[in-house]
Amino acid sequence: AQSVTQPDIHITVSEGASLELRCNYSYGATPYLFWYVQSPGQGLQLLLKYFSGDTLVQGIKGFEAEFKRSQSSFNLRKPSVHWSDAAEYFCAGRVGGGYQKVTFGTGTKLQVIP
Amino acid sequence: DAGVTQSPTHLIKTRGQQVTLRCSPKSGHDTVSWYQQALGQGPQFIFQYYEEEERQRGNFPDRFSGHQFPNYSSELNVNALLLGDSALYLCASSTTGAHEKLFFGSGTQLSVL
Repeated sequence: AQSVTQPDIHITVSEGASLELRCNYSYGATPYLFWYVQSPGQGLQLLLKYFSGDTLVQGIKGFEAEFKRSQSSFNLRKPSVHWSDAAEYFCAGRVGGGYQKVTFGTGTKLQVIP
Repeated sequence: DAGVTQSPTHLIKTRGQQVTLRCSPKSGHDTVSWYQQALGQGPQFIFQYYEEEERQRGNFPDRFSGHQFPNYSSELNVNALLLGDSALYLCASSTTGAHEKLFFGSGTQLSVL
């Protein structure tokens, strides 16, 4: 089945420390991949997307992600975390365009401690 | 430019009742997708509407139905509500195309008592 997996349910980092959130995908073809962030009780905001080409993609709020075909991964990174980054992060993917549905992972909740 | 708007923001219903949720897509978008997000879970795809037709459907029973209007706005209807239908219902809009991405509304929090 086509899917994305986020192995970490909850991660805690200190403010100013680096961050890496893991995402693995399982698709028959090269997928389109996304990272979204969700604050409590809110909708999802797109951080970045990978469609093709350069495997290192830059997003908003200082986030970046790297597509690694050999590892079926699309991990999200940030060099220095701010307290405002505390939220839930979702990896998502789809294949093709048009009517193809986007499938979400179960999310990783990020806690930032002073 | 208004983004995706959903109404109502919160809703409380009892088991067996019916509910209608509404979504207006972002300006310029013609495709609407609905997602259900249970507490502590990722969004689950319900269905997608384009040109007033359901184009894709996730693994949800027929109690979940929808509609898209000529102005691209959409409704999600759920009949015979169950306690397990309690969730945040998210609407996402996009344009059709390989490189398009979803823009989400803030959701409707449905509680079934």
